[in-house]
Amino acid sequence: QQPVQSPQAVILREGEDAVINCSSSKALYSVHWYRQKHGEAPVFLMILLKGGEQKGHEKISASFNEKKQQSSLYLTASQLSYSGTYFCGTENTGNQFYFGTGTSLTVIP
Amino acid sequence: EAGVVQSPRYKIIEKKQPVAFWCNPISGHNTLYWYRQNLGQGPELLIRYENEEAVDDSQLPKDRFSAERLKGVDSTLKIQPAELGDSAVYLCASSFRGSGPYEQYFGPGTRLTVT
Repeated sequence: QQPVQSPQAVILREGEDAVINCSSSKALYSVHWYRQKHGEAPVFLMILLKGGEQKGHEKISASFNEKKQQSSLYLTASQLSYSGTYFCGTENTGNQFYFGTGTSLTVIP
Repeated sequence: EAGVVQSPRYKIIEKKQPVAFWCNPISGHNTLYWYRQNLGQGPELLIRYENEEAVDDSQLPKDRFSAERLKGVDSTLKIQPAELGDSAVYLCASSFRGSGPYEQYFGPGTRLTVT
């Protein structure tokens, strides 16, 4: 039931864009996105609810396709500070929450 | 505003010994989560409390793990006896679940090493 993320890892140069995908096999109520830097706790980025409501970071956007049980996180004009591991978290309609497999993002100068 | 507080930050024990972790959530947050995170993997939910009630403990290994959240505030997670495979970072998070979107705030975690 753990959602699968792709790609597993990506390396970008500053200013480039990236898309991280999250796919679940279960019907979803919400999708959360978190970023975790090495040795630190995950930090909230964005949440998207079934029906379109969302709450999140100004410079990061995401989409949620309820029918396909998929979400994508869009990182534009990447900065060095964007480096870290990105996790999606999915809450299914059975009220269970699972973090995804993770995507390691490295931004280089 | 104080964040989620966890203690201890690090713990090294021998296998078969007991260990306990403590978490104090953000004031006013009604939901508390315990996660286990192995190196290079995403956090795995062990148990979720809404107020004092454990509403999801489906992934808690109940033969050796136990948790409590007395008075709906702070919480303790216990392992007895610990096994080598329990070495991981144990994260506590809290949130306020109402009718709208909610985000989870994480504590710094407890790094457990079982030798």
